[in-house]
Amino acid sequence: QQQVKQSPQSLIVQKGGISIINCAYENTAFDYFPWYQQFPGKGPALLIAIRPDVSEKKEGRFTISFNKSAKQFSLHIMDSQPGDSATYFCAASSFGGYQKVTFGTGTKLQVIP
Amino acid sequence: SAVISQKPSRDICQRGTSLTIQCQVDSQVTMMFWYRQQPGQSLTLIATANQGSEATYESGFVIDKFPISRPNLTFSTLTVSNMSPEDSSIYLCSINRGTDTQYFGPGTRLTVL
Repeated sequence: QQQVKQSPQSLIVQKGGISIINCAYENTAFDYFPWYQQFPGKGPALLIAIRPDVSEKKEGRFTISFNKSAKQFSLHIMDSQPGDSATYFCAASSFGGYQKVTFGTGTKLQVIP
Repeated sequence: SAVISQKPSRDICQRGTSLTIQCQVDSQVTMMFWYRQQPGQSLTLIATANQGSEATYESGFVIDKFPISRPNLTFSTLTVSNMSPEDSSIYLCSINRGTDTQYFGPGTRLTVL
């Protein structure tokens, strides 16, 4: 019930291409869906987040698509760059006084020149 | 954003010893969170630390193994006790800023021999 399933586990994309990472959840109480980016040796950093009242959110080259009925959401990275090479985690939480966050399993993205 | 620092950034320890990890935040926060990230894995919440009260531990984590202190609103420590090689992980502290956003420290990379 509390799991967030993430795919693929790893992804190789050509520079300039589109990177797509998918996540699915079961708990309908989740109401906040952030994506985190983690570089080696660093802590995860918030990249972009969405609430279920919208179907899409775009920030620069990063877009979250959200399908509430399917309980799925995805991250699209447009014009992928080698600097985007990192591990990406989707997450989900429900507001209940504080945010207890459930993380996906992570996707290691490599963008090749 | 938030500025979160952790000490040490990394350590190599012998089996059976203990290590205390410090987390310092640049401003007062009600709750601090401690996560474990095993090699190549996702983030798992160890416990939530409230100032002035005992930490709340997640299933699979116990106070005897991971004692936590929260002496004030900007600082917390996590001790990994009686370490074994299975405790080799990255340990991360995090905070909530605002209602939703969770920020992470840079992590402490622990290797147990």
